[in-house]
Amino acid sequence: GENVEQHPSTLSVQEGDSAVIKCTYSDSASNYFPWYKQELGKGPQLIIDIRSNVGEKKDQRIAVTLNKTAKHFSLHITETQPEDSAVYFCAASLDKIIFGKGTRLHILP
Amino acid sequence: DAGVIQSPRHEVTEMGQEVTLRCKPISGHNSLFWYRQTMMRGLELLIYFNNNVPIDDSGMPEDRFSAKMPNASFSTLKIQPSEPRDSAVYFCASSLSLAAGNEQYFGPGTRLTVT
Repeated sequence: GENVEQHPSTLSVQEGDSAVIKCTYSDSASNYFPWYKQELGKGPQLIIDIRSNVGEKKDQRIAVTLNKTAKHFSLHITETQPEDSAVYFCAASLDKIIFGKGTRLHILP
Repeated sequence: DAGVIQSPRHEVTEMGQEVTLRCKPISGHNSLFWYRQTMMRGLELLIYFNNNVPIDDSGMPEDRFSAKMPNASFSTLKIQPSEPRDSAVYFCASSLSLAAGNEQYFGPGTRLTVT
């Protein structure tokens, strides 16, 4: 079955700097890659996604890239703000969604 | 829409007791998912339903865990008997369908503590 690895597990970034979270997946048949953000005490919420026929997608300060050959995908957050502090999960899906272990992002003032 | 509704939000019980977690998916969504979240294991998919039918329960850890979906607007996850290692946050999520690309909407979760 699918296996998703996510790094780093914790990331501290100065406010205004960029943050990058990286993931790999094992099943080359996976064709949908969502990213979820989980704030304290809440359930995960979709923030951006990318399909296998696209290499990059951007939405304001967040962007995702996908390298299908290497089975890598990444989340980039630019101009980080305090409200970006949360746990971020990458995921890969063909039918059911398999989540990575999560990255706890701290934005330092 | 109120989103996915879960109850209770917190549950504290003693080892050996039966625990029932409840979920109401978003109206019109045909797929429902139960997840368990712990620090050690992260977010684990336990079971999912499509049109009220269980599709894959391979993530259910033991026979002590069972889930039902008697109708399109209600699902339960039952643990009987409960054990301290079952302590976790349990999330229910729903989506329009199982097709890849359909966003899963998560409920607020139920924090279960088994003493």
